[in-house]
Amino acid sequence: DAGITQSPRHKVTETGTPVTLRCHQTENHRYMYWYRQDPGHGLRLIHYSYGVKDTDKGEVSDGYSVSRSKTEDFLLTLESATSSQTSVYFCASRDRVEGEQYFGPGTRLTVT
Amino acid sequence: GESVGLHLPTLSVQEGDNSIINCAYSNSASDYFIWYKQESGKGPQFIIDIRSNMDKRQGQRVTVLLNKTVKHLSLQIAATQPGDSAVYFCAENMDNFNKFYFGSGTKLNVKP
Repeated sequence: DAGITQSPRHKVTETGTPVTLRCHQTENHRYMYWYRQDPGHGLRLIHYSYGVKDTDKGEVSDGYSVSRSKTEDFLLTLESATSSQTSVYFCASRDRVEGEQYFGPGTRLTVT
Repeated sequence: GESVGLHLPTLSVQEGDNSIINCAYSNSASDYFIWYKQESGKGPQFIIDIRSNMDKRQGQRVTVLLNKTVKHLSLQIAATQPGDSAVYFCAENMDNFNKFYFGSGTKLNVKP
């Protein structure tokens, strides 16, 4: 497995609080992604990055922001968490345009 | 690891039998497809990919078939083993290799 980790692995937070999830990869991959996974929806892309400081929106980007100041780290921020953002969040990375995307173990976020 | 309790279509097969998992994709402009496997409590894992200029691709014990006429993708697993028990997702990509759209998944149960 590619060296991709996520932190925290579990988090419970209250509505209206800011939350930051961290993804860290040790493979020097150029491309990184944040997805959320909900029952009945499979995986949906939130944001992605195609290089340091280069990011773009995905399918469900409202309410989320990202930052990538270093190749190895990709941060996902919920500025003001809502209950609809309760989900399992997966980070992924890839070293080239086509081919395998390596996923992290996921973060379960609960917004009460 | 994390997993999501999904109410998914389920395919049950006997160990040693062949499995066929189907996926209908949504956009006729999609030109690249990937199958992923997600075991309980883990992130998705790449299985095999196929470009739209192909209609079949084989890997180790797996074959992906693409029928562009009816926008259908299938994953065939030969001699299914208990370790194949997981949720399987197809993902389609169009225009931009960074944006993948995932299906909701099929759960494969392998009976010993």
